[in-house]
Amino acid sequence: SQQGEEDPQALSIQEGENATMNCSYKTSINNLQWYRQNSGRGLVHLILIRSNEREKHSGRLRVTLDTSKKSSSLLITASRAADTASYFCATNAGNMLTFGGGTRLMVKP
Amino acid sequence: EAGVVQSPRYKIIEKKQPVAFWCNPISGHNTLYWYLQNLGQGPELLIRYENEEAVDDSQLPKDRFSAERLKGVDSTLKIQPAELGDSAVYLCASSGNSNQQYFGPGTRLTVT
Repeated sequence: SQQGEEDPQALSIQEGENATMNCSYKTSINNLQWYRQNSGRGLVHLILIRSNEREKHSGRLRVTLDTSKKSSSLLITASRAADTASYFCATNAGNMLTFGGGTRLMVKP
Repeated sequence: EAGVVQSPRYKIIEKKQPVAFWCNPISGHNTLYWYLQNLGQGPELLIRYENEEAVDDSQLPKDRFSAERLKGVDSTLKIQPAELGDSAVYLCASSGNSNQQYFGPGTRLTVT
């Protein structure tokens, strides 16, 4: 079973625009992670945010975490065509990762 | 540093046939995971190994699925017999001392 739910399921934007994806989860977590998956490829780790952190940045990525609402968001600024991929949030409790259903992002050149 | 290696990348078999997938984790990673990913969905954990011990296999359908990691390095996942509903991507991942998992490219299985 998948703990996380992601919203939207699909997102289409123009190059240069910002993309925001949201993730909600159900149980207590140690941390939350975001992954990217290009078509036909494995998952690539993007960023990890711990349960005691509220915001984290990495390059053009900005992740927020609200443990009171059990939700997280991933913001990609100044998107590029190469950002086209599926993005998954994954909650970590112990050594287990539980993935959401993903957001399929298309960035049009 | 080489990443997680999986083979084959693609496999097409007829239903009721057996199939096996192989995974070589990143050198030094003690923890190995097998995930199942259906089309349009996120990965779901099948089994987790700490060295050669399966510490979480609660989601592994044990009537037809089996896995092993005999020397605590490489691992194989087997399905016997395969069913149409087993068509999916099978992902292997490994992790070391941190919480970060590194994923292989996956094996895409098609059962006809």
